[in-house]
Amino acid sequence: DAKTTQPNSMESNEEEPVHLPCNHSTISGTDYIHWYRQLPSQGPEYVIHGLTSNVNNRMASLAIAEDRKSSTLILHRATLRDAAVYYCILKVWGNKLTFGTGTQLKVEL
Amino acid sequence: GAVVSQHPSWVICKSGTSVKIECRSLDFQATTMFWYRQFPKQSLMLMATSNEGSKATYEQGVEKDKFLINHASLTLSTLTVTSAHPEDSSFYICSARIGDGNQPQHFGDGTRLSIL
Repeated sequence: DAKTTQPNSMESNEEEPVHLPCNHSTISGTDYIHWYRQLPSQGPEYVIHGLTSNVNNRMASLAIAEDRKSSTLILHRATLRDAAVYYCILKVWGNKLTFGTGTQLKVEL
Repeated sequence: GAVVSQHPSWVICKSGTSVKIECRSLDFQATTMFWYRQFPKQSLMLMATSNEGSKATYEQGVEKDKFLINHASLTLSTLTVTSAHPEDSSFYICSARIGDGNQPQHFGDGTRLSIL
């Protein structure tokens, strides 16, 4: 599976939108873009995934660039509970989830 | 839905003992279960993948005789750390997946293992 590049950390204020970027310039046509997050001392939690089209669910939105070389996870209104490490992972159908270092999101009042 | 329960949450034991960690999918049947290890300030590292009724597939560098995985049913997988030593102290996390290879993985809350 191709690699992703994410900023080490980002900060946000509570109740403001957060845009978490992910670069994946070597993405292949069969790579799905998955996002997970990990709160302190817990296992990861699935957030969202997509292939080509933008995706929305109750937790977040995923915006995928037209050339698929980058994507952005959007949290519409950050809360203190959203403070976590966010992982952007490329995964081919059936393959394993391989975690990188992710982005540490800090949310302040 | 899709809850994965991991037990125990934490365990402290003496060097040389064996420790068993259970991973259960509570409200679904998991075709595949995964075991990860996470050291402080580091990312998750996949240790092995197991499918119900068959032998686990271990990642390179993971000793299969030390980390015994049993996936006896569609709702239960166990990881046994045999003859544990202080360097095995880590955060062990399991996950389970329903159905095909692009479904989300659902993770347990992890087991913090400390070997004295």
